[in-house]
Amino acid sequence: NAGVTQTPKFRILKIGQSMTLQCTQDMNHNYMYWYRQDPGMGLKLIYYSVGAGITDKGEVPNGYNVSRSTTEDFPLRLELAAPSQTSVYFCASSYPGGAKNIQYFGAGTRLSVL
Amino acid sequence: DAKTTQPPSMDCAEGRAANLPCNHSTISGNEYVYWYRQIHSQGPQYIIHGLKNNETNEMASLIITEDRKSSTLILPHATLRDTAVYYCIVDSGNTPLVFGKGTRLSVIA
Repeated sequence: NAGVTQTPKFRILKIGQSMTLQCTQDMNHNYMYWYRQDPGMGLKLIYYSVGAGITDKGEVPNGYNVSRSTTEDFPLRLELAAPSQTSVYFCASSYPGGAKNIQYFGAGTRLSVL
Repeated sequence: DAKTTQPPSMDCAEGRAANLPCNHSTISGNEYVYWYRQIHSQGPQYIIHGLKNNETNEMASLIITEDRKSSTLILPHATLRDTAVYYCIVDSGNTPLVFGKGTRLSVIA
């Protein structure tokens, strides 16, 4: 089973460049999430979505945009890359509600902005 | 901010039980206790969760105190592959999980 798939695994960007981090899941989960993790720190929520066409900001949304046109896909867009966006990015998905809110994570995208 | 308090690090001898504590004194009646772990640079992995009863699965056991203000994750026979950061999270199940800094468990041969 594929689960949550993120591409690319690694990327180096120059300051001011743009890119899209891809995330797709094959578990028919309604909820999807983007987190970032800086070295030695916990995960911080960037954006999340409770279904196609619905997105909401998390703790650290500045500098990022998302869209959710299908249940399966939840891309994260960086418009003007800055060194502060150097991090590991994790996408996750889950069923909504109660005891079913178990989040499944992708393997991550390691991004360096130089 | 995370609603839980965990020790920053713990050591455990290989083959022994690893007992990871978590305090969540402000937990609400409808909030679950979730445990995840993150093995070096990988995505977090779900381990177990519970509401008020103790729970066991193939990976671990979760012991929740009667007042629900604290819990313990038990790995019965720790192996070197259990070396990871373990996150205790309290959540109602309807919101994105909030990750704190967790406990870094080192299993020593």
